[in-house]
Amino acid sequence: QKEVEQNSGPLSVPEGAIASLNCTYSDRGSQSFFWYRQYSGKSPELIMFIYSNGDKEDGRFTAQLNKASQYVSLLIRDSQPSDSATYLCAVPGDGSNTGKLIFGQGTTLQVKP
Amino acid sequence: GAGVSQSPRYKVAKRGQDVALRCDPISGHVSLFWYQQALGQGPEFLTYFQNEAQLDKSGLPSDRFFAERPEGSVSTLKIQRTQQEDSAVYLCASSSGTSTHEQYFGPGTRLTVT
Repeated sequence: QKEVEQNSGPLSVPEGAIASLNCTYSDRGSQSFFWYRQYSGKSPELIMFIYSNGDKEDGRFTAQLNKASQYVSLLIRDSQPSDSATYLCAVPGDGSNTGKLIFGQGTTLQVKP
Repeated sequence: GAGVSQSPRYKVAKRGQDVALRCDPISGHVSLFWYQQALGQGPEFLTYFQNEAQLDKSGLPSDRFFAERPEGSVSTLKIQRTQQEDSAVYLCASSSGTSTHEQYFGPGTRLTVT
């Protein structure tokens, strides 16, 4: 059974700082990685995905993947109070590419004004 | 455009009752997923449909859980003889392809079993 591990937090950062969220995964064969954001009481929303080792940037968000160490991270630059949410890391759940995702438990981020 | 919709948004059931949860995916989306999310946890996969075919039901926790998508659009998740441990948010997601992981989630149905 594939596992995805995240620190549940909360991670608290001041407004304008860089928030760093980390995720480790058990299956060395995982090829793609997804970050979802979930506001309290709302449904998950895809914000980033990454397939290759290295960094992928999208606005204030950067996803970093290190397959050798089996971790993926999400950096949020210039954090805003509106970034306060739970961030879920996910990997594909099987090799047949049905789209099924295995999620971590999520890290709660609090950005303080 | 319209996103994924789910109904009801909230459901309270007495232990032993049967419930039916509905999902309307984004129009034209081939793939449909059901997930269960307990408080403070990430979503857990329940089942997957490609059009009307249920290709993966490995996550359904017991034979009390049943899902269908008879015409390849709307899906229903049915839970028979509900138990307290079934209390959770049930999320439906859809995606346009058959192997894409870019899933769009509905608002969920919060089920409370008393």
